[in-house]
Amino acid sequence: QVQLVESGGGLVKPAGSLRVSCAASGFTFTDYHMAWIRQTPGKGLEWIAYISNSGDTTEYADSVRGRFTISRDNAKNSLYLQMNTLRDEDTAVYFCAGGEMATAYFDYWGQGTLVTVSS
Amino acid sequence: EIVLTQSPATLSLSPGERATLSCRASQNVRSYLAWYQHIPGQAPRLLIFDASNRATGIPARFSGSGSGTDFTLTISSLEPEDFAVYYCQQRSNRPPVRFTFGPGTKVHIK
Repeated sequence: QVQLVESGGGLVKPAGSLRVSCAASGFTFTDYHMAWIRQTPGKGLEWIAYISNSGDTTEYADSVRGRFTISRDNAKNSLYLQMNTLRDEDTAVYFCAGGEMATAYFDYWGQGTLVTVSS
Repeated sequence: EIVLTQSPATLSLSPGERATLSCRASQNVRSYLAWYQHIPGQAPRLLIFDASNRATGIPARFSGSGSGTDFTLTISSLEPEDFAVYYCQQRSNRPPVRFTFGPGTKVHIK
């Protein structure tokens, strides 16, 4: 069955860095655009980064542009988010999500990994 | 940038009742709108895409309607597992790619 499994979350100090990963299985990864979406404590969902199925195109929300980098390894069916210069307000559960290239939506989601930024 | 607003913020209902959730877009998004269900601690789940199409495996009690700027998600008869937070979402229809979620409607047991 389809699985997206995030890993790599944890506690990091402000201004620090962290890389979270997402392992995909059960679907043709190269047919899917992927994204990272986060949920900050007590708040809703916020899209933060997108990557096309080939990896050629990436886009970022204003809140993370210049600090976060999304990437993928299609040979490993894996998605990554490199987070630098972390701030308190980046504390959130980070979800990876995927949607077929022809659509604007996210068919598949992981259960999320918690990133806590605190001194 | 398109902004999505959802109402009400919370909905207090009993099992078996009908739930009607609203999503309004700040600009015309035609029918390019989705609805998701999120139970805390679980992965969000796609319910409805293109405003009115149920995703694979979604029960018939969930239905979506609307186009342009006003959209509705209806749950015809609430089951215990339906108490959750519901989000609408749209994607920009021209570059650059941007995805927007509404703030959510929490449906909780009365």
